[in-house]
Amino acid sequence: QVQLHQWGAGLLKPSETLSLTCAVYGGSFSGYYWTWIRQPPGKGLEWVGDLHHSGSTRYNPSLESRVTISMNTAKNQFSLKVTSVTAADTAVYYCARTGCDSSGYCGWFDPWGLGAPVIVSS
Amino acid sequence: DIVMTQSPDSLAVSLGERATINCKSSQSVLYSSSNKNYLAWYQQKVGQPPKLLIYWASTRESGVPDRFSGSGSGTDFTLTISSLQAEDVAVYYCQQYVDTPYTFGQGTNLEIK
Repeated sequence: QVQLHQWGAGLLKPSETLSLTCAVYGGSFSGYYWTWIRQPPGKGLEWVGDLHHSGSTRYNPSLESRVTISMNTAKNQFSLKVTSVTAADTAVYYCARTGCDSSGYCGWFDPWGLGAPVIVSS
Repeated sequence: DIVMTQSPDSLAVSLGERATINCKSSQSVLYSSSNKNYLAWYQQKVGQPPKLLIYWASTRESGVPDRFSGSGSGTDFTLTISSLQAEDVAVYYCQQYVDTPYTFGQGTNLEIK
């Protein structure tokens, strides 16, 4: 059973860089998209972007200029960096695997990490 | 971006009664080449990450109780809980995955009446 464990700095000042890492346990890293999703306090869910094990990435245009998702296949880990953070980046950040069916069609998220709260405040 | 709109925003249902949550997309999420609706439903309890309930609009995830069902096609979808249990109190989200950026509905807060 695949489990995701995530960690990273929780308190940042405006203009700093957010950095989070997610480790994949109990399953293959290959063949899947690996995703970051965030949830501002008391609000809904926003897809940040994803990375395929081949190395290709896709980002939400609302964040694309500031976001990088990368991976370390040797450690079965993937990471998120968001530069020049502001208070609007305050959120719980979740990592998740993008699920695929047997035909290779993908897009739902399961499983999810427990979430990492990030607060941006001066 | 595809906008997902859920209704109602909040819903109170008696134990054992049916709960119905609607989700409407701003454009069709039916992908012609696969003839599948690229829509998922999630349940999020307080302090927890979302949990996948349904994908392909109507396929129940393994382990999800059969009182949860999904229906609809194109732009209009419904999540139904046939007999509400106390543990179903949560916020429910729909999500489209036909195109990036993947987007979610604003959520429906389900409570016990």
